[in-house]
Amino acid sequence: GENVGLHLPTLSVQEGDNSIINCAYSNSASDYFIWYKQESGKGPQFIIDIRSNMDKRQGQRVTVLLNKTVKHLSLQIAATQPGDSAVYFCAENIAPSHRLAFGKGNQVVVIP
Amino acid sequence: DTAVSQTPKYLVTQMGNDKSIKCEQNLGHDTMYWYKQDSKKFLKIMFSYNNKELIINETVPNRFSPKSPDKAHLNLHINSLELGDSAVYFCASSPLRGLAGGSHPTGELFFGEGSRLTVL
Repeated sequence: GENVGLHLPTLSVQEGDNSIINCAYSNSASDYFIWYKQESGKGPQFIIDIRSNMDKRQGQRVTVLLNKTVKHLSLQIAATQPGDSAVYFCAENIAPSHRLAFGKGNQVVVIP
Repeated sequence: DTAVSQTPKYLVTQMGNDKSIKCEQNLGHDTMYWYKQDSKKFLKIMFSYNNKELIINETVPNRFSPKSPDKAHLNLHINSLELGDSAVYFCASSPLRGLAGGSHPTGELFFGEGSRLTVL
């Protein structure tokens, strides 16, 4: 199948529990960060973004935390649902070229 | 009323052939991109056009040639296909928004559904 040999970091989470996905970014000059969700067979979809002058931003059931000191980004999903099963990517916008660089994906599997 | 649409969704072809993937966006965005996603799901930018002008050209073999006839379309033509070209190719667009110090493409990308290319 499509996922044979994929070896993505995988987080298995019980439905209703909270999920935390972590991401380390590489460039101190990055000024803007985005989390994307990619469901099987589809393109990545924007979830939430955060600018480098913030350390936390909340959306609907999602929260992004940014720690610039250690160049770390996390995505928290509250009350995880089966529809949250997907691959999640963090992306950094590297100033001044404004090209978006994607990190490695993290697979989230929600167990009903 | 699909926002970013690309065709074909699947493409199976022999090594050495030439093929094209088309992309259209109806979001009125100024900037369009091609990304390649390999079997490990790693997404890498290939090209970016802003209002028909090439602004990003990563280290991509010159067998790959993007063409933007207008700001709503960005096509990708690939010559002399090789086995390693097998991947999912994603088109994306983003709006041009004013930021401090000038206008730059925002980081938020709107992706198409992908075109899975298999080279045999």
